[in-house]
Amino acid sequence: SSELTQDPAVSVALGQTVRITCQGDSLRLYYASWYQQRPGQAPLLVFYGEKNRPSGIPDRFSGSNSGNTASLTITGAQAEDEADYYCNSRDNSGDHLVFGGGTKLTVL
Amino acid sequence: QVQLVESGGGLVKPGGSLRLSCAASGFTFSDYYMNWIRQAPGKGLEWLSDISSSASAISYAASVKGRFTISRDNAQNSLYLQMTSLRVEDTAMYYCARDSGGYGPRSGAFDIWGQGTMVTVSS
Repeated sequence: SSELTQDPAVSVALGQTVRITCQGDSLRLYYASWYQQRPGQAPLLVFYGEKNRPSGIPDRFSGSNSGNTASLTITGAQAEDEADYYCNSRDNSGDHLVFGGGTKLTVL
Repeated sequence: QVQLVESGGGLVKPGGSLRLSCAASGFTFSDYYMNWIRQAPGKGLEWLSDISSSASAISYAASVKGRFTISRDNAQNSLYLQMTSLRVEDTAMYYCARDSGGYGPRSGAFDIWGQGTMVTVSS
């Protein structure tokens, strides 16, 4: 089992706001990164660190951190946001990287 | 443009070996930490290994330590993963990815990914 825990599935109505969370003890010390993966495609970095959004990522994607939880928020979800979302960070030892189990986002 | 292209995947029998390659272009390869990540069919992402820009620091996930070896050739802009003692459970799509170095050389934020190469371990 992963040291980073994500809800397996989340749904959101079109145009509404959704938060996807990632929990783990290592997040008290290290930032998380967030990836979007559509079927048949490689993952895409959508947010990382405290407040970093890669070039080309819509500003409806934002991230936050509190204690042992990192969150990815999509404000005004679009149909094209339906995908799997993964967090990653260091593991509890700090020596290795680890991914969360992933969250399947459905846009209704 | 900035890209990574993996190759070397295929069908191999349990206990066999395979060497994956990742060709980088469009950026100064020698400046970045590089990673291998895999994804079993229908499953999530699993980080496997990373290597520092100069290859002086290497780390492995417990699941592959002692069986897989990461290496790089900065002159050839290439990353490699030598896989030995392969198991059925190693069947997966294998991705190479660049660490963005966004807030440190080993930030864990992978900003460039290849398209992946499929490895199937089956008798």
